[in-house]
Amino acid sequence: AQSVTQLDSQVPVFEEAPVELRCNYSSSVSVYLFWYVQYPNQGLQLLLKYLSGSTLVKGINGFEAEFNKSQTSFHLRKPSVHISDTAEYFCAVSESSGSRLTFGEGTQLTVNP
Amino acid sequence: GAVVSQHPSRVICKSGTSVKIECRSLDFQATTMFWYRQFPKQSLMLMATSNEGSKATYEQGVEKDKFLINHASLTLSTLTVTSAHPEDSSFYICSARDDRGLGGYTFGSGTRLTVV
Repeated sequence: AQSVTQLDSQVPVFEEAPVELRCNYSSSVSVYLFWYVQYPNQGLQLLLKYLSGSTLVKGINGFEAEFNKSQTSFHLRKPSVHISDTAEYFCAVSESSGSRLTFGEGTQLTVNP
Repeated sequence: GAVVSQHPSRVICKSGTSVKIECRSLDFQATTMFWYRQFPKQSLMLMATSNEGSKATYEQGVEKDKFLINHASLTLSTLTVTSAHPEDSSFYICSARDDRGLGGYTFGSGTRLTVV
């Protein structure tokens, strides 16, 4: 079975500062990895995904993530955050294309002026 | 890009009544859709996997007679909460997997259900 651990439940940062949201996963097979963002009372929006190939994945809104197989990590980064990046961020994993997604507990990113 | 429409976005119903939530893929076909429940400040909990033309697969602890799922076409899945009670109040979110195999899961905008 697969599992996802998001190491920080809350991450407060100042505007224009860099941020890293940490995600570690556990699986006995190869995985696909995802980061989603959720604004209050809304569904989830895909930020980026890793399926195969380059381990550095670039997504929307200036976010990127790096897949590290040896450390079983998929940390999300942004070099300079905006107030509008304040939201809940979820890391997720699936063991094959189309199989169920397993979510982490989420990280609340709060960007302060 | 792939779009999933979920309706209604918000519903209030009386205890004992039933509520139907629709999840529709607008520009792609989805043999498989997923239904999640989310409690405040918590992650998404998978309730069931909906497969077009066959019975849904429910997660352990989810009452299949209370949460009826129908996936009658490649673009539409519905979740009906039967005989709703206040403890069923929650945020329900659907997700659809693109049959083109692009490795993505597109989510609906969610439904806030309040049972009074």
